[in-house]
Amino acid sequence: AQKITQTQPGMFVQEKEAVTLDCTYDTSDPSYGLFWYKQPSSGEMIFLIYQGSYDQQNATEGRYSLNFQKARKSANLVISASQLGDSAMYFCAMGAGGTSYGKLTFGQGTILTVHP
Amino acid sequence: GAVVSQHPSWVICKSGTSVKIECRSLDFQATTMFWYRQFPKQSLMLMATSNEGSKATYEQGVEKDKFLINHASLTLSTLTVTSAHPEDSSFYICSEEGGTDTQYFGPGTRLTVL
Repeated sequence: AQKITQTQPGMFVQEKEAVTLDCTYDTSDPSYGLFWYKQPSSGEMIFLIYQGSYDQQNATEGRYSLNFQKARKSANLVISASQLGDSAMYFCAMGAGGTSYGKLTFGQGTILTVHP
Repeated sequence: GAVVSQHPSWVICKSGTSVKIECRSLDFQATTMFWYRQFPKQSLMLMATSNEGSKATYEQGVEKDKFLINHASLTLSTLTVTSAHPEDSSFYICSEEGGTDTQYFGPGTRLTVL
């Protein structure tokens, strides 16, 4: 069984500053994928970034980067230069096993609020 | 990337009635789709895996007779909430695989049962 833990129910950041959202995971499967999604108040799930368990480099996508520390089983999301539009719920998720990661296990989420 | 649509985007129904939610893949043939449920201020929980041409696979604790899933074509999966009750009020969201590193989600359907 997989488990994702997000210990920050809410985070606040000043506009233009960087923020780190924490995520730890647990799985016995050696092959897994880690995802971060943004969910604004509309409810849609917006894909941000992906990290595979065998990827040597940390994933980056524009202002998003994933700080992947495999030994610590953590996959923290770093958002640089925060914008007001970044205010939303953020979910860390994991898929494991098999050849695809369709079945995702989600963390509890972190509500990010960006202040002007 | 693939586009997934859901219909309706929101629905209000009376207790005891059934509600059908459609999840449609607009530009991708999806043999497998997934249904999640999200209660207010909570996380997404996987309900079931919808398999084209065969029975759905339900997660532990999800009543298969209450949440009927049909995946009759490569582009359409439907979730029917039968005999809905207020506790079934939730946000239902579907997704499809686009590969190991990609998961496309629909916009979700907000169900309110009175």
